[in-house]
Amino acid sequence: DVQLVESGGTVVQPGGSLRLSCAASGFIFSSFGMNWVRQAPGRGLEWLSYISSTNVTIKYADSVKGRFTVSRDNALNSLYLQMDSLRDEDTAIYYCARYSLEYNGYGRDDHWGQGTLVIVS
Amino acid sequence: DIQMTQSPSSLSASVGDRVTITCHTSHNVNRYLNWYQKKPGKAPKLLMYTAYTLESGVPSRFSGSGSGTFFSLTITSLQPDDFATYYCQQSFRTPHTFGQGTNLEI
Repeated sequence: DVQLVESGGTVVQPGGSLRLSCAASGFIFSSFGMNWVRQAPGRGLEWLSYISSTNVTIKYADSVKGRFTVSRDNALNSLYLQMDSLRDEDTAIYYCARYSLEYNGYGRDDHWGQGTLVIVS
Repeated sequence: DIQMTQSPSSLSASVGDRVTITCHTSHNVNRYLNWYQKKPGKAPKLLMYTAYTLESGVPSRFSGSGSGTFFSLTITSLQPDDFATYYCQQSFRTPHTFGQGTNLEI
């Protein structure tokens, strides 16, 4: 079974840094792009970043560009999100998601982790 | 960025009802449109992709339609497990924006 397990969430002060991890299993990690998505308390889902299967393509939402860095280690089946210059508004549950692509380019997040809570305070 | 507008923001319904949620995009996204179900304390769950393709394991009472800029998600014969928040998302271009969500309440 596909499994994604996030870790690293904790309480951090404004201006601080944090690194989230997402451990993948049950599929060929190196064949899939991955996304980070978050949900702030009482708010909706917010897409944050995408990294392609081979690190060639990396994209960010404007809200985190320049502060967050996504990376992956295919040998360790792991995805990471380095979060710097954290702000109060970064308080949220952070999810990693597997991005599945159809042959015709249609993509969707078909498997998600349970999330890890980051509190900036 | 492509803006997503879901309607309604909240919806009250009863078990057995049929409900429809709509999603309008600010740019033509062809059929690059996905629907997710979110329950408190749970991970989002993919329901539908490419606007109308049912994800494996999702009950057939869920259906999707639309292309271009207007999409809908319909749930026929609501079940107790269906009360949740529903989000549309476009994957046409990054950022892969989500709608604001539709809270489906009993």
